[in-house]
Amino acid sequence: DAKTTQPPSMDCAEGRAANLPCNHSTISGNEYVYWYRQIHSQGPQYIIHGLKNNETNEMASLIITEDRKSSTLILPHATLRDTAVYYCIVRPLYNSGGGADGLTFGKGTHLIIQP
Amino acid sequence: DAGVTQSPTHLIKTRGQQVTLRCSPISGHKSVSWYQQVLGQGPQFIFQYYEKEERGRGNFPDRFSARQFPNYSSELNVNALLLGDSALYLCASSYRQGTNTEAFFGQGTRLTVV
Repeated sequence: DAKTTQPPSMDCAEGRAANLPCNHSTISGNEYVYWYRQIHSQGPQYIIHGLKNNETNEMASLIITEDRKSSTLILPHATLRDTAVYYCIVRPLYNSGGGADGLTFGKGTHLIIQP
Repeated sequence: DAGVTQSPTHLIKTRGQQVTLRCSPISGHKSVSWYQQVLGQGPQFIFQYYEKEERGRGNFPDRFSARQFPNYSSELNVNALLLGDSALYLCASSYRQGTNTEAFFGQGTRLTVV
């Protein structure tokens, strides 16, 4: 089961910042927070990941609370092409057991950018 | 560079038949994972292969099997197809297993079982 909780859907106006929340209250100390998105009929696309510090790349910013129990993905200037399902995932830093490190997806947040 | 490529993009099979789906990872990537995504749900992990060995599988029946070839490409086989196997099958590649490297997904194969 996914260790994250996300709202099922959100709307945002084009050009505004989209803030997508994620709760991961049972996150372990060695687990990162990853964000992927899936545009309709395509495969998921990696966005960003972080451990405890805020992270920023060309796509988005990731804000992780100090207790690491929740995070927010920020798309600074949303466009219509950002309409997608956004998945928040926690995964270990390193799979020391040698077993599979497959991603555990929940249902995600369907973000709809309104013109 | 080419991304992860999957073939075919769509196919229709009859209940009880067998199907083989193919995946070519990004050049240099040695780990391939397979996921099943039914309508309205997030992708569910099926298998991971690394260096041609199965490293783990999700909660799927033995009708699902896979293998990885010396060039790191992979095939997913599903036997005795059921209507419930209708889904988007996604392949993801990563540089290696066991580290927090991001996975790159293909566009998927849409399987319809009738």
